[in-house]
Amino acid sequence: DAGVIQSPRHEVTEMGQEVTLRCKPISGHNSLFWYRQTMMRGLELLIYFNNNVPIDDSGMPEDRFSAKMPNASFSTLKIQPSEPRDSAVYFCASSFTGLAGVTKGDTQYFGPGTRLTVL
Amino acid sequence: TQLLEQSPQFLSIQEGENLTVYCNSSSVFSSLQWYRQEPGEGPVLLVTVVTGGEVKKLKRLTFQFGDARKDSSLHITAAQPGDTGLYLCAENSGGSNYKLTFGKGTLLTVNP
Repeated sequence: DAGVIQSPRHEVTEMGQEVTLRCKPISGHNSLFWYRQTMMRGLELLIYFNNNVPIDDSGMPEDRFSAKMPNASFSTLKIQPSEPRDSAVYFCASSFTGLAGVTKGDTQYFGPGTRLTVL
Repeated sequence: TQLLEQSPQFLSIQEGENLTVYCNSSSVFSSLQWYRQEPGEGPVLLVTVVTGGEVKKLKRLTFQFGDARKDSSLHITAAQPGDTGLYLCAENSGGSNYKLTFGKGTLLTVNP
């Protein structure tokens, strides 16, 4: 079975350029998470979608960051304009949330990540 | 937001040795998850512990949740090169069921 798919795996861009990261969650999962991982701050939640609706975007660092989930099988994270401090590994994760809502211990399945370097 | 401290930050050992890594907080955990992240990959959930004093085993890995639910440990017996990776603990933060707060991890290298 295919896991979470992310593209591209590596992205190198120049400051000021627009960057779009893509994610395909596991089929049947209805919760999707975007994370950012850096040495200094570790792994941080950026935004959480449930049934394609953004539920919590409090982790999105600035207005330069935006995320969309137009359907159950696709999500994007866009940075415009990009800055060197955005350099990090960005992960997408998905899980299945039942009618009772997310329960503690629900398994989040992570993609392989996109390593972004902004020069 | 609860701060998770993991120690040691780095650990390099020889194949066959035993090791223990720790995850601590000043606040009580509602539940705690351990993940392993291999180079170039995303974290993979190993175990969830919920009850104070709980011990779970996964082959050569033993996970313990402190009685007061403010600390947890991961013990690996007879480490193998395949155990190399970043070990992360995570807790549901702020009363939310979906928002995980991660520690910065212990980077383990097992040399053949």
